[in-house]
Amino acid sequence: GAVVSQHPSRVICKSGTSVKIECRSLDFQATTMFWYRQFPKQSLMLMATSNEGSKATYEQGVEKDKFLINHASLTLSTLTVTSAHPEDSSFYICSARVPGHGTEAFFGQGTRLTVV
Amino acid sequence: GIQVEQSPPDLILQEGANSTLRCNFSDSVNNLQWFHQNPWGQLINLFYIPSGTKQNGRLSATTVATERYSLLYISSSQTTDSGVYFCAVGYSGGGADGLTFGKGTHLIIQP
Repeated sequence: GAVVSQHPSRVICKSGTSVKIECRSLDFQATTMFWYRQFPKQSLMLMATSNEGSKATYEQGVEKDKFLINHASLTLSTLTVTSAHPEDSSFYICSARVPGHGTEAFFGQGTRLTVV
Repeated sequence: GIQVEQSPPDLILQEGANSTLRCNFSDSVNNLQWFHQNPWGQLINLFYIPSGTKQNGRLSATTVATERYSLLYISSSQTTDSGVYFCAVGYSGGGADGLTFGKGTHLIIQP
């Protein structure tokens, strides 16, 4: 149990376009999901907390207009990178916890975004 | 925010050797997890261990929450153990519920 699925696994897009990444909890409902970003050879940094039915909470320094988060259902959160630029190229990964089952986080497979 | 330090940053061992990876954190935690990141970036969940000791095959982990550290032990290393190992913690003092990751230990197991 506790499977988190992320799609796509990799995407290449042109500068100026927008890209949507999906994060789904397959066998549980997640009122909260988390989005992280990882630059090459670096650690993972929390970008934002996605809350079902309400606005996302962004970490300091993360542009909310650049990284749009929508958590429209209990099993789906989306991250849209708007007007992407080469510096947005990175590895994006989401996680969720199973409500009522402690604090363990389960991660999706990640999405490698390349902006050309 | 909470600080997480992992050591050593790099470790090169011969196949069959044992290794110990350390994670120090600066405050009380309600979550501590060890991950192995594979070459495709996927985080493999090794242990959820906010306190105590757990073992899974050749791997084991111990967290001493009162002293704010955790150790990951790998015995009889295999080449497939190579990769980056991350420790991540959740702060129990409120605020954001996401995890704070250490910078990782890059482990290379040579045949």
